[in-house]
Amino acid sequence: SQKIEQNSEALNIQEGKTATLTCNYTNYSPAYLQWYRQDPGRGPVFLLLIRENEKEKRKERLKVTFDTTLKQSLFHITASQPADSATYLCALPNSGGYQKVTFGTGTKLQVIP
Amino acid sequence: EAGVAQSPRYKIIEKRQSVAFWCNPISGHATLYWYQQILGQGPKLLIQFQNNGVVDDSQLPKDRFSAERLKGVDSTLKIQPAKLEDSAVYLCASSRTDNEQFFGPGTRLTVL
Repeated sequence: SQKIEQNSEALNIQEGKTATLTCNYTNYSPAYLQWYRQDPGRGPVFLLLIRENEKEKRKERLKVTFDTTLKQSLFHITASQPADSATYLCALPNSGGYQKVTFGTGTKLQVIP
Repeated sequence: EAGVAQSPRYKIIEKRQSVAFWCNPISGHATLYWYQQILGQGPKLLIQFQNNGVVDDSQLPKDRFSAERLKGVDSTLKIQPAKLEDSAVYLCASSRTDNEQFFGPGTRLTVL
């Protein structure tokens, strides 16, 4: 299965700045990578999926990049707001397929007003 | 559309007791997952169903955990007997075939 590394330390940024979160993986290259948001006391919520043949994907203020050479995905939130404060998880499919994914430990983002 | 429903939301039990969690997935979602999330960690897959068949249960501690999905809809996850290290949030998720998973609110289990 994949080994996934996300920065376990919390990321604190000022409101209005761009937040950048990192997801590194080892082993095989996945066909796609997902990002989820999780608020305290709630289940994760799907944000974006990027496929291996896509370098970049955008959704409103969110941007995800996928570098299969570096085995890394970057997740950007532009013009960050306090409401963006949450834990962000990346997830990658296992080689066995069949929609099974492995989640990273997540990075907690705190946007300071 | 209604989301994934789970109950109870919270449960406190003594070690060696048994507990059961219930999940109702989004209508029409063939795939159902149970995850265990320990504080500060990402969700860890326990078992995955496709309709009412088990696709993956490689990380399910089968000596104490069991799960079933009758008629390919609702599912229950049981722990018997519970250990202190089972304290965690148990998340249920469902999906169609497009890889996006929809999660329920989870059940927070505390084992004393």
